[in-house]
Amino acid sequence: QVTLKESGPVLVKPTETLTLTCTVSGFSLSNARMGVSWIRQPPGKALEWLAHIFSNDEKSYSTSLKSRLTISKDTSKSQVVLTMTNMDPVDTATYYCARILLNWNDVGWFDPWGQGTLVTVSS
Amino acid sequence: EIVMTQSPATLSVSPGERATLSCRASQSVSSNLAWYQQKPGQAPRLLIYGASTRATGIPARFSGSGSGTEFTLTISSLQSEDFAVYYCQQYNNWPPATFGQGTKVEIK
Repeated sequence: QVTLKESGPVLVKPTETLTLTCTVSGFSLSNARMGVSWIRQPPGKALEWLAHIFSNDEKSYSTSLKSRLTISKDTSKSQVVLTMTNMDPVDTATYYCARILLNWNDVGWFDPWGQGTLVTVSS
Repeated sequence: EIVMTQSPATLSVSPGERATLSCRASQSVSSNLAWYQQKPGQAPRLLIYGASTRATGIPARFSGSGSGTEFTLTISSLQSEDFAVYYCQQYNNWPPATFGQGTKVEIK
């Protein structure tokens, strides 16, 4: 059974750095046909893709947030870490990690998703 | 960046009726489109990928169609557990993967 679980602080102050960890099980981060994405969802709003990482350490970031995001992985620990600097109240959201499954053309969809973790940014 | 537009924003349907949800891409995404279902307080769940392939364990009442810029998710006979928000997502031109704003299917 494939599962992903997010962990990290529930409350951060403005200007602080957020660090979230996604711990996966049931698949390996060294699998060349899979990756992990971070996606967030502000309360009552739509989904927003943030970043992804693949087994070869290829990384990509949201254009609008690129300067604030860093994604990394520890394959031995089955963990993917996302850091977001300079947090602001508008970054209040549920943050999800999700496995990426690649098709023959090396693009893919998200399945499954972690349960998500709500992060509130407030002083 | 490809913009995904879903319509309608809210769809009111009676149990047992058919629901048809639309998703339009600002440029062609071929068949590289997925649909997700999200219930309150839960993470999204994959329903459809490749525009028309049901994910594992998804009931046959869910079907997807379309290619290029126009896509449809059809729920043939709505069950009580199907009332949720549905999102489309393109993965043809990524990064970034982009989502629609969602369609809420509510009980009429």
